[in-house]
Amino acid sequence: DQQVKQNSPSLSVQEGRISILNCDYTNSMFDYFLWYKKYPAEGPTFLISISSIKDKNEDGRFTVFLNKSAKHLSLHIVPSQPGDSAVYFCAATGTGANSKLTFGKGITLSVRP
Amino acid sequence: DTAVSQTPKYLVTQMGNDKSIKCEQNLGHDTMYWYKQDSKKFLKIMFSYNNKELIINETVPNRFSPKSPDKAHLNLHINSLELGDSAVYFCASSRDYFYNEQFFGPGTRLTVL
Repeated sequence: DQQVKQNSPSLSVQEGRISILNCDYTNSMFDYFLWYKKYPAEGPTFLISISSIKDKNEDGRFTVFLNKSAKHLSLHIVPSQPGDSAVYFCAATGTGANSKLTFGKGITLSVRP
Repeated sequence: DTAVSQTPKYLVTQMGNDKSIKCEQNLGHDTMYWYKQDSKKFLKIMFSYNNKELIINETVPNRFSPKSPDKAHLNLHINSLELGDSAVYFCASSRDYFYNEQFFGPGTRLTVL
């Protein structure tokens, strides 16, 4: 029962262009969403997050958009750089103590020089 | 100066053996977690401890026993290892159990032969 879905396993973009990574969720109780980035042989590192009271959050080249009615979020990376090549995990959680992160399967982003 | 460290990084062992993985965080966080990333790449939470107390215990075989000697350490002991236990195990920590951003260790790749 996948509550967080990242349906595209991989994405390849040209350096300098926009990367758009998508994520869908099914659980209406989720109200906080995070993106993690993972390089090979390393642990995931936090990238950016968004609360359900917002529809957009921006941090430098990274912007996350949330569409609650569609239960969809996306991560935009502009401009994409070769160092952005990694696996990106979408994660979601509900509110309150002991809420746990539910992760998607991840998307492998390759940025071509 | 690693924030969340795990030892060992790689572990190869025979079926039926007992093994432990250690985790330490120097962030001063109150909450620590163990995740399993299986062959399908999903990151799934196994356990969570807050100030040395177990707060999340997912449906995990009781061959897996976490132990938190203090809030900076969370170890995972696995008895009677099975082939299906082969996975990458990640330790993580967060400021407290209300705080969603988690910091991950580099992972321990366990291979059971």
